Amino acid sequence: DAGVTQSPTHLIKTRGQQVTLRCSPISGHKSVSWYQQVLGQGPQFIFQYYEKEERGRGNFPDRFSARQFPNYSSELNVNALLLGDSALYLCASSPTGIPNTGELFFGEGSRLTVL
Amino acid sequence: DQQVKQNSPSLSVQEGRISILNCDYTNSMFDYFLWYKKYPAEGPTFLISISSIKDKNEDGRFTVFLNKSAKHLSLHIVPSQPGDSAVYFCAASEGAGSYQLTFGKGTKLSVIP
Repeated sequence: DAGVTQSPTHLIKTRGQQVTLRCSPISGHKSVSWYQQVLGQGPQFIFQYYEKEERGRGNFPDRFSARQFPNYSSELNVNALLLGDSALYLCASSPTGIPNTGELFFGEGSRLTVL
Repeated sequence: DQQVKQNSPSLSVQEGRISILNCDYTNSMFDYFLWYKKYPAEGPTFLISISSIKDKNEDGRFTVFLNKSAKHLSLHIVPSQPGDSAVYFCAASEGAGSYQLTFGKGTKLSVIP
């Protein structure tokens, strides 16, 4: 069975541009979460979606937005990119919307470099 | 301010010996704790978890201990194997009302053959 798939795997943008990252959860999983991992840090929570509704949002500016589609795939959008947005963006899926009733299954991530 | 702290950036252990990875937390509302393992160029993978109603959870070579009064948990790997070499993240959540995990910075474990 396919795991969580993310695209693109690597991308380079310049300051001020916009980026869209995509995620397909494991088949049957209805929850998708997004995390940002800056070099040398642990993953930091950005969003969680369950059944196409936003269930949680971390401490990120409004430049970050996301949505979940009827097939449970998800997109993360970041506008007006800053150098500090350079990071590995991880998508994780879970069968339920509550992380402590089951572990998160992470994709390999999308490596974003902002120049 | 870091709510989950892993104060050892790295740890080297001889193959066959015990590896002990430590994690401290400051948020008293955390009641569920998880350990994830991450290899280079891969996403984190779930390893083991523990609820605050327990003080120990064991799964094969991996055991997690929780000391709520000290706000401290540890992951024991016995015996350590070269394939265990990875970055280990400690994570915590505030329970059913929270949908997010708070991660530590990670500890890089190197198991020397």
